[in-house]
Amino acid sequence: LAKTTQPISMDSYEGQEVNITCSHNNIATNDYITWYQQFPSQGPRFIIQGYKTKVTNEVASLFIPADRKSSTLSLPRVSLSDTAVYYCLVGGMDSNYQLIWGAGTKLIIKP
Amino acid sequence: ETGVTQSPTHLIKTRGQQVTLRCSSQSGHNTVSWYQQALGQGPQFIFQYYREEENGRGNFPPRFSGLQFPNYSSELNVNALELDDSALYLCASSQEWGQGPNTEAFFGQGTRLTVV
Repeated sequence: LAKTTQPISMDSYEGQEVNITCSHNNIATNDYITWYQQFPSQGPRFIIQGYKTKVTNEVASLFIPADRKSSTLSLPRVSLSDTAVYYCLVGGMDSNYQLIWGAGTKLIIKP
Repeated sequence: ETGVTQSPTHLIKTRGQQVTLRCSSQSGHNTVSWYQQALGQGPQFIFQYYREEENGRGNFPPRFSGLQFPNYSSELNVNALELDDSALYLCASSQEWGQGPNTEAFFGQGTRLTVV
């Protein structure tokens, strides 16, 4: 099963763009990369998912290089409400669809 | 609101007791996964049910068991509770088994279990 490595914590300021990078060196051919956001005492919330290159939705972008051994979640113009823990996960058919969650990245946005 | 509801929201049990946690999945979703999340850690995968059959299990002992019903709601049962079972238990539902396009998981708010 693929494992991921993320920074334990990051700080930024309101209005800035925040990039969180995740390493997944042993990602399998059929694995997808998914990011979730979690606020204290709540269940995680899906942010974005991708397989390769770039994916963009209304809240974030996901950049995946050609070797797929890492990915970067980009949050444009963050606000205080983006303070949360962000998890990067990989999984798919090759890992029997089981997802391994790391400790995530605690993002703190300051005024 | 994800449409996934869990009950109860909080629960206190004594060591050695048994507990049943419930989850109603989002309409149209046939896959339910259960996770245990200790304070300050990421969720740990317990098991997954797809169309009433367990089709994946994490590194949890047999005293953690589950069921999925024809309406795709689910239960998590834990026997012989231990102090270390104290955690937030999360249920997630998705449209289809697996991870890929359009298989994002929708999580409930969780059940906070405290074992004393």
